[in-house]
Amino acid sequence: AQSVTQLGSHVSVSEGALVLLRCNYSSSVPPYLFWYVQYPNQGLQLLLKYTSAATLVKGINGFEAEFKKSETSFHLTKPSAHMSDAAEYFCAVSDRVGGYQKVTFGTGTKLQVIP
Amino acid sequence: GAVVSQHPSWVICKSGTSVKIECRSLDFQATTMFWYRQFPKQSLMLMATSNEGSKATYEQGVEKDKFLINHASLTLSTLTVTSAHPEDSSFYICSARDFKGYEQYFGPGTRLTVT
Repeated sequence: AQSVTQLGSHVSVSEGALVLLRCNYSSSVPPYLFWYVQYPNQGLQLLLKYTSAATLVKGINGFEAEFKKSETSFHLTKPSAHMSDAAEYFCAVSDRVGGYQKVTFGTGTKLQVIP
Repeated sequence: GAVVSQHPSWVICKSGTSVKIECRSLDFQATTMFWYRQFPKQSLMLMATSNEGSKATYEQGVEKDKFLINHASLTLSTLTVTSAHPEDSSFYICSARDFKGYEQYFGPGTRLTVT
């Protein structure tokens, strides 16, 4: 069974500092991996995705993530945090279960940006 | 492209009544749609998978007679919460999967409050 672990339910960074949100996954087959952002009372917006092409994936709003198979990790980073980055971030893994793709979400990490 | 809408965005209803939530893929055909439920400060919980023209597949612990799902066309799925109770109050999010099968596009969510 696939699963996703996000370390740290809350992360606080200063404006301009590096953002690092951690995600580890388990999957029996090569997975597809995603990072989503959710602002209060809104749906999920895709930040970036890994689909077995380049291991370093660049997304929107300056975010990127690196797929490391040996570490089963897909951590999300951004060099310099903006106030507008404050939101909830979800890592997700998708692999084929019972003949169809099933997505499993992590528990989320709330990012706080301190001015 | 790949826009998913939900209607209504929020609804308040009285206990015992039924509420219908619509999920539409606006610019692509979605053979599969998903319904999620999200409690405050928690991750998304998959409720059911809806395939066009067939019965929905419900996750363990989700009452199919309470949460009626209909996916009558390639662009529309509906979730009806029957005989709603206050504990059904939650944020309901739908997503639609494109023909490639590995990425889901999320709607903006519907906030249901049962009084």
